[in-house]
Amino acid sequence: DTAVSQTPKYLVTQMGNDKSIKCEQNLGHDTMYWYKQDSKKFLKIMFSYNNKELIINETVPNRFSPKSPDKAHLNLHINSLELGDSAVYFCASSLQGLQNTGELFFGEGSRLTVL
Amino acid sequence: AQSVTQLDSQVPVFEEAPVELRCNYSSSVSVYLFWYVQYPNQGLQLLLKYLSGSTLVKGINGFEAEFNKSQTSVHLRKPSVHISDTAEYFCAVSDFSNDYKLSFGAGTTVTVRA
Repeated sequence: DTAVSQTPKYLVTQMGNDKSIKCEQNLGHDTMYWYKQDSKKFLKIMFSYNNKELIINETVPNRFSPKSPDKAHLNLHINSLELGDSAVYFCASSLQGLQNTGELFFGEGSRLTVL
Repeated sequence: AQSVTQLDSQVPVFEEAPVELRCNYSSSVSVYLFWYVQYPNQGLQLLLKYLSGSTLVKGINGFEAEFNKSQTSVHLRKPSVHISDTAEYFCAVSDFSNDYKLSFGAGTTVTVRA
């Protein structure tokens, strides 16, 4: 009964390919996020959705396209993969409204390697 | 915008020795404070959080943190570490000025040696 689950955990692909990572949360949270963690472990927010609506879109190439079919799911599609896209991508979720403290609940991460 | 500074990027420590990880933040308003731990090849999990009340916060796995509002710091401590505490530790801060979006520090790598 994993709270935030991502698939796949590992992804190895060639430059120029298109790939997707899926995320699901069963915590009943309204807000979901994608973070990118580079080789130096630095965490950078990419996107945030609140109840299927995009609310944060940091400076990310438009090759990255998030999709939220419902508030429990947030997928990330990446077109024309580049070497620099190699990283660990984390999905996270949080409460909104009066209960919101900023606390994030993270998935296990998806390690993307672009060759 | 807030900034979160973890003062040590790497902390090597011997088993059973104490460890302190330092974190300073910049915010002039009331904040919520968090420490997360990331074990090798895993996701981030919450170690502890400060929302209000006592400035000494107990977390999981024997960790605790002291929140110092005047110095805008929240340092993480453990009196005696184990090999299994080898991990990346992240400090994070949120406040109402940016709708409680978490700001993360750059992380501190703790390596525990026998």
